[in-house]
Amino acid sequence: GAGVSQSPSNKVTEKGKDVELRCDPISGHTALYWYRQSLGQGLEFLIYFQGNSAPDKSGLPSDRFSAERTGGSVSTLTIQRTQQEDSAVYLCASSFLRRRTAEAFFGQGTRLTVV
Amino acid sequence: DAKTTQPNSMESNEEEPVHLPCNHSTISGTDYIHWYRQLPSQGPEYVIHGLTSNVNNRMASLAIAEDRKSSTLILHRATLRDAAVYYCILRDVNDDKIIFGKGTRLHILP
Repeated sequence: GAGVSQSPSNKVTEKGKDVELRCDPISGHTALYWYRQSLGQGLEFLIYFQGNSAPDKSGLPSDRFSAERTGGSVSTLTIQRTQQEDSAVYLCASSFLRRRTAEAFFGQGTRLTVV
Repeated sequence: DAKTTQPNSMESNEEEPVHLPCNHSTISGTDYIHWYRQLPSQGPEYVIHGLTSNVNNRMASLAIAEDRKSSTLILHRATLRDAAVYYCILRDVNDDKIIFGKGTRLHILP
């Protein structure tokens, strides 16, 4: 079956513009995760969803970042008034939450460049 | 608050076994030990996980110390394709978050 799909794969935007990043998880997966990876760095946790709810938003870097998930499926990560330090690869993952030790499947990421 | 400690980097020769260590001295009884790896320019992929007993799958083996304060990921016969960053992660059975540390960058020498 299809894996986790992220779009766009690449996005170049001007400083100050808003961007939306999309994640389509594996069908039936109840948990969805967003991470950010700056060049040469590790994965920074941003937020995760159980169904449509986000129990932990502590990783969002600032109030310019927000995320939502609708219908227990697609999720959108929105960055308002982008800054150059927002440039990174944004990774999404999904997991079947009922099995709490289940593996997470990652998408290929969206490479965001703010110029 | 890193819950796991791994060497920054390791080298191994192609076609030889590789032992990647991970220390997790503050592990709790409800923590599972998970390993992921991230190949260049790709998202992470699951490798293996375990609780107390050693585990084997088609990708690797996981050896867990009797006191569970450390574990070792074993690649039985490394190939060039195994060059990646390997992450050792503790996942509490009661917590859905997956937090990555810095991992070990594995270099495979031909």
